[in-house]
Amino acid sequence: GQNIDQPTEMTATEGAIVQINCTYQTSGFNGLFWYQQHAGEAPTFLSYNVLDGLEEKGRFSSFLSRSKGYSYLLLKELQMKDSASYLCAVTDSNYQLIWGAGTKLIIKP
Amino acid sequence: IAGITQAPTSQILAAGRRMTLRCTQDMRHNAMYWYRQDLGLGLRLIHYSNTAGTTGKGEVPDGYSVSRANTDDFPLTLASAVPSQTSVYFCASSPSLAGGTDTQYFGPGTRLTVL
Repeated sequence: GQNIDQPTEMTATEGAIVQINCTYQTSGFNGLFWYQQHAGEAPTFLSYNVLDGLEEKGRFSSFLSRSKGYSYLLLKELQMKDSASYLCAVTDSNYQLIWGAGTKLIIKP
Repeated sequence: IAGITQAPTSQILAAGRRMTLRCTQDMRHNAMYWYRQDLGLGLRLIHYSNTAGTTGKGEVPDGYSVSRANTDDFPLTLASAVPSQTSVYFCASSPSLAGGTDTQYFGPGTRLTVL
């Protein structure tokens, strides 16, 4: 079956750096997305990786290793507003998007 | 403001009742989707549409139906609601292929409770 694993919850301190991991086992691979979802709100797009390596976008970076079925989202200079759930999603060989359950990130002052 | 709207925002429904969740987008996107989101589970695709006039089944289609009469609207109907359909429902759209490599844009969600 197809599976995406992320930690359920993480806690970090304001101003620090946090890395959220995502491992996947899917039938084929056509890209990996990260979305952010604040409590009670809709998911919003953060990043997309299809090639191995690191994509940097301001305070957020996303890394992909296709051979290892692994990605991470790196958040730097954490702010209180970064408290949210972070969803990892993979496009499989049929171009279906498979979603992980999300990682709830709690930022403490 | 361009985007996706959903109605109602929330609804409490008696089991056995029929309910239609509305979704409208004004971005002229071809593909639209309906997901349900339950605590501890990832977003699960109910139905999708690649373009007006076509629809397809997702991971959890049973008990739900959709139609796509035009580009903008993609209503989701529960013919006879059951308590297991209690969930938050998100409508989304993307410029082209269903799923694929396009970014999906989400509506604000409808919180549905079936008693």
